[in-house]
Amino acid sequence: DTAVSQTPKYLVTQMGNDKSIKCEQNLGHDTMYWYKQDSKKFLKIMFSYNNKELIINETVPNRFSPKSPDKAHLNLHINSLELGDSAVYFCASSFTQAGEQFFGPGTRLTVL
Amino acid sequence: GEDVEQSLFLSVREGDSSVINCTYTDSSSTYLYWYKQEPGAGLQLLTYIFSNMDMKQDQRLTVLLNKKDKHLSLRIADTQTGDSAIYFCARDTGGGNKLTFGTGTQLKVEL
Repeated sequence: DTAVSQTPKYLVTQMGNDKSIKCEQNLGHDTMYWYKQDSKKFLKIMFSYNNKELIINETVPNRFSPKSPDKAHLNLHINSLELGDSAVYFCASSFTQAGEQFFGPGTRLTVL
Repeated sequence: GEDVEQSLFLSVREGDSSVINCTYTDSSSTYLYWYKQEPGAGLQLLTYIFSNMDMKQDQRLTVLLNKKDKHLSLRIADTQTGDSAIYFCARDTGGGNKLTFGTGTQLKVEL
């Protein structure tokens, strides 16, 4: 069984649209994250939630809004998509705020 | 430059040892990590080292940490074609749960 899963795996959309990426973990972890990997493979944290509470919010445009309905889910909603949002988005989770992070398979977002 | 830097590419022959290097500027981390990313896949944690250690060995992997020079390395012994991937070093921040990743090193293993 997949520990950290993301849907969809691929997302192609037009500029200006609003889209969501979903993440679920079945590891019983308390902390979940969103990372963005750009075309040069540079990986940077965007958000982190612990027990449904936002604990890290990097300098991400407010068009990006994470939502954690429960500990096992952390979704990422993006409004008014721009070309520069094209990237691979990885979800991750950890047992505690300092624990090993397990990554999902990624969602490749392409904005046309 | 970036906080955590790595060389972009490394090419080795199968059976040789690979050494992937990483330098960082902020020495406040508790742990430093090595992740592997295969094509089209997520990141897989390979190993990690506590910041007060100098070396950690885990089967074919050896991690060396030089705190004075702020240098971390990953040695892969007997490199195999299945080791071809991008390798990222990462450090946690003082708070523990925010990882800052290096720029990644693409390892290519040739027959």
